[in-house]
Amino acid sequence: QSVLTQPASVSGSPGQSITVSCTGTSTDVGSYGLVSWYQQHPGKAPKLMIYEGSKRPSGVSNRFSGSKSGNTASLTISGLQAEDEADYYCCSYAGSSTFLWVFGSGTKVTVL
Amino acid sequence: QVQLVESGGGVVQPGRSLRLSCAASGFTFSTYTMHWVRQAPGKGLEWVAVISYDGSNKYYADSVKGRFTISRDNSKNTLYLQMNSLRVEDTAVYYCARDLGGEDVWGKGTTVTVSS
Repeated sequence: QSVLTQPASVSGSPGQSITVSCTGTSTDVGSYGLVSWYQQHPGKAPKLMIYEGSKRPSGVSNRFSGSKSGNTASLTISGLQAEDEADYYCCSYAGSSTFLWVFGSGTKVTVL
Repeated sequence: QVQLVESGGGVVQPGRSLRLSCAASGFTFSTYTMHWVRQAPGKGLEWVAVISYDGSNKYYADSVKGRFTISRDNSKNTLYLQMNSLRVEDTAVYYCARDLGGEDVWGKGTTVTVSS
């Protein structure tokens, strides 16, 4: 099963902005606008932060934003806060008969 | 409020079977596509299977095709995952999720451990 490529780790100081990338192919990220981003704290279920590439669910801080260019989607966290330290996963619809949905490899965000 | 609660996990020997359930509440279950997603210990998320709102369409990841069956009972607001011929590599937390790709909702997960 294909896995979207994310950096293993990204770090930043409180108040800074960081960006997490998610690189796929023309058959998943590049073809569909259905990219989601999840935040996961240890031992907890994933929490939806961004869906359809750039939409924020109600209750999610506007410090989180999403975008896409070609085969790469990005999650930007501005005004980094201690509670943002977590694992982040992207997810894209792939449309293949063998795997309809594919997740990223995950990125550990560390607040220095 | 919208809620998904998984159950049925446990410790099972390789080759045996297990059935997971996901009880939905707070929304009209029969109108939503539902998914199972799993996460092996210390690993990332892996999509497992999806079923359409009426159960007429089902798709599986290659890693579980032929061994796992997703189903639903809209009269009981419940999603199922029948897991047969379990392997050690199926050990994971299994999450049910509503409507991946949209404003989705996830349960807290149930743990499946396959070990002799």
